[in-house]
Amino acid sequence: TQLLEQSPQFLSIQEGENLTVYCNSSSVFSSLQWYRQEPGEGPVLLVTVVTGGEVKKLKRLTFQFGDARKDSSLHITAAQPGDTGLYLCAGAGYNFNKFYFGSGTKLNVKP
Amino acid sequence: EAGVTQFPSHSVIEKGQTVTLRCDPISGHDNLYWYRRVMGKEIKFLLHFVKESKQDESGMPNNRFLAERTGGTYSTLKVQPAELEDSGVYFCASSQAPGKQYFGPGTRLTVT
Repeated sequence: TQLLEQSPQFLSIQEGENLTVYCNSSSVFSSLQWYRQEPGEGPVLLVTVVTGGEVKKLKRLTFQFGDARKDSSLHITAAQPGDTGLYLCAGAGYNFNKFYFGSGTKLNVKP
Repeated sequence: EAGVTQFPSHSVIEKGQTVTLRCDPISGHDNLYWYRRVMGKEIKFLLHFVKESKQDESGMPNNRFLAERTGGTYSTLKVQPAELEDSGVYFCASSQAPGKQYFGPGTRLTVT
């Protein structure tokens, strides 16, 4: 059983469009992270959200942590081809001893 | 500053053989994590070291897997004997601050 469910699994959009990726769980996490991974490389940390209801912005990316700290979303405004990649969410346990990853959303932004 | 490095990048072995994967964390990072992703599945946690001590090894699949971090620097993950279901990509990550992980490029293990 997977602890974190990501949707959609695949997303193919045109450059300039907006998109939202969701990460949902029935479990509470002390924090939630979003990563981006490119082929042949390891995941790269984009952001960590800690407080329920927290919103963080990273240029055109907006991350939100649900009030109950069970879910999160990633919104990209005016997507660019350089945003193409696999986006992963990961929930941390209370002591950061372990992390639970979602299965990822594969984003393709066409020029 | 050098990132996390993993060796080898790719390993192909036969069922029943032994393979040892190595991870060199970023210098000064006390936390070291091992993960793996098998085909079509999510990245799964294997274990976490703080320096040379195992903090959490609840994700290790079975006793065919042995992880070590002697001296608190690099770490090795040995699989003995390897089974077909062990095929996948094994990632290592390190961090100084809790949670701020830097991942290596992974080792792709293929067991035939």
